[in-house]
Amino acid sequence: GAGVSQSPSNKVTEKGKDVELRCDPISGHTALYWYRQSLGQGLEFLIYFQGNSAPDKSGLPSDRFSAERTGGSVSTLTIQRTQQEDSAVYLCASSRDRESSYEQYFGPGTRLTVT
Amino acid sequence: AQTVTQSQPEMSVQEAETVTLSCTYDTSENNYYLFWYKQPPSRQMILVIRQEAYKQQNATENRFSVNFQKAAKSFSLKISDSQLGDTAMYFCALRDAGNMLTFGGGTRLMVKP
Repeated sequence: GAGVSQSPSNKVTEKGKDVELRCDPISGHTALYWYRQSLGQGLEFLIYFQGNSAPDKSGLPSDRFSAERTGGSVSTLTIQRTQQEDSAVYLCASSRDRESSYEQYFGPGTRLTVT
Repeated sequence: AQTVTQSQPEMSVQEAETVTLSCTYDTSENNYYLFWYKQPPSRQMILVIRQEAYKQQNATENRFSVNFQKAAKSFSLKISDSQLGDTAMYFCALRDAGNMLTFGGGTRLMVKP
């Protein structure tokens, strides 16, 4: 079946502009995660959605970052007034449920470059 | 808060040889899961192997196996009969009741012909 997809694959934007990154999780997966991977670094948790529950936003680095998940499926990560330090690969993952045993399946990521 | 540490930024191994990647972690939870992910240049994160903390038996997946030492909070990955396609970044990750994954900084593995 189809895996997690993300769009765009690459995004170049000017400092100060807003950007939207999209994630389509695996059909039927109720849990969705956003991570950020800076150059040469590990992944940093940003936000987590589980079903219709309020999202866990504890990893968002500033109030310029927000995310929503419509209809329990597609998610959009929005970064307002982008800064150069926002340049990174943004990875989305989905999981069958919130149980710790369930594997998280990752998308190919969006590489964001802020000039 | 949980932490994951990978002390080897880069490693290399000759094709067909065996290599071990190190990982240590810290968590206050008693029930958790540990993972090794592979990230080739394509950026796609691929699950290599998973270990449940309540299981004493070390997980194995074909050429990949782990040495899980719960008391020492150590979770190393052994790759046997290394292949050129194993060249990638390898990330150790922890998932506990908080649901999100906590990742180590990664180890870049180069398999040399």
